[in-house]
Amino acid sequence: QVQLQESGPGLVKPSETLSLTCAVSGYSISSGYYWGWIRQPPGKGLEWIGSIYHSGSTYYNPSLKSRVTISVDTSKNQFSLKLSSVTAADTAVYYCARAPGMTHFDYWGQGTLVTVSS
Amino acid sequence: EIVLTQSPATLSLSPGERATLSCRASQSVSSYLAWYQQKPGQAPRLLIYDASNRATGIPARFSGSGSGTDFTLTISSLEPEDFAVYYCQQRSNWLFTFGPGTKVDIK
Repeated sequence: QVQLQESGPGLVKPSETLSLTCAVSGYSISSGYYWGWIRQPPGKGLEWIGSIYHSGSTYYNPSLKSRVTISVDTSKNQFSLKLSSVTAADTAVYYCARAPGMTHFDYWGQGTLVTVSS
Repeated sequence: EIVLTQSPATLSLSPGERATLSCRASQSVSSYLAWYQQKPGQAPRLLIYDASNRATGIPARFSGSGSGTDFTLTISSLEPEDFAVYYCQQRSNWLFTFGPGTKVDIK
């Protein structure tokens, strides 16, 4: 059974960089598939942040592209998100997910709430 | 960027009734359209992918149809556990967008 688990600080100060990691179990990232990050501000809808292929090719939401970096570490079977210059508008539950064929998301992590506040 | 519009915003129905949810894209997305169910405090759950394919373990009462710009999610007979928010999602030009969601609540 494929499982994903997000980890990282739950509180980040404005203007700093948000860093999260998604650990994958039950499937080897190096075997293929795309992987992605999605966020959901409290009480609002879903927003795709970006995706990465196991080879390292990346795809980003144009509205966030200047601040986002997604990377993969196949040796640790995990991938990561960095979002720079955060503001209160970046407060959200952040999910990681698997994206077969880069068309949909079939397995999701439970999500982690990140609050941006001083 | 392709914009997805979902209607209605809220659907109030009783258990056993049929639910019909609509998702419209601002331009053609071919069949790259997925549907998700989300309950409070939970991650979204994939229901339908490529417009009409049920995901693993999804009951047959959930069905998807459509292509191009107009898509429909149908729940043939609502069970108590089906009351939730439903999102559509598309992929075009290697970019994803989600619709704003339809809340299905108990009448």
